[in-house]
Amino acid sequence: ETGVTQTPRHLVMGMTNKKSLKCEQHLGHNAMYWYKQSAKKPLELMFVYNFKEQTENNSVPSRFSPECPNSSHLFLHLHTLQPEDSALYLCASSMGTSGNEQFFGPGTRLTVL
Amino acid sequence: AQSVSQHNHHVILSEAASLELGCNYSYGGTVNLFWYVQYPGQHLQLLLKYFSGDPLVKGIKGFEAEFIKSKFSFNLRKPSVQWSDTAEYFCAARGYQKVTFGTGTKLQVIP
Repeated sequence: ETGVTQTPRHLVMGMTNKKSLKCEQHLGHNAMYWYKQSAKKPLELMFVYNFKEQTENNSVPSRFSPECPNSSHLFLHLHTLQPEDSALYLCASSMGTSGNEQFFGPGTRLTVL
Repeated sequence: AQSVSQHNHHVILSEAASLELGCNYSYGGTVNLFWYVQYPGQHLQLLLKYFSGDPLVKGIKGFEAEFIKSKFSFNLRKPSVQWSDTAEYFCAARGYQKVTFGTGTKLQVIP
């Protein structure tokens, strides 16, 4: 399988649930990203990992906890979310973080009840 | 703070019409610029990019964009759109380390 894959594609969770989003890239890239895409708002960069090390956290609430065990896998652990966290969560990867093209996954559509 | 503005949120065109989508960025230093496209039900994918050199950049599917430094703009153009160009288009800019996206423009092409 090639490209960037994300699971699950859809997730509905209550505010007290704990869930995780998974992203996997098969492109040999060393940088991975989490974005939040909400209606009528710019794509929001949440986290950046480069060679498994977190290099950017854009003031994301602690109820979102990323994990990058290796350069091919990225997780987003979710806990005690709010309804306003409902959005499409996109994972992307690139070769380095110096402006190279990012390849995006299909996203996980998250609904928080 | 670095930002990207896309002026049109929703554009409706007939097939064969010409397209121009506006994008302005605010960042004073060296900047890399991108246009991404998201077709219905598909992933975001790169349409074209500008790093340096010729300010007129040609991308896939007949799209092009022109970097005008004095106007901080990177408008996307296509001389004749097709129904298959119906999609959402995102402009992005990379300044010092960080990539910032615009809000996107939804293009609807009517056959």
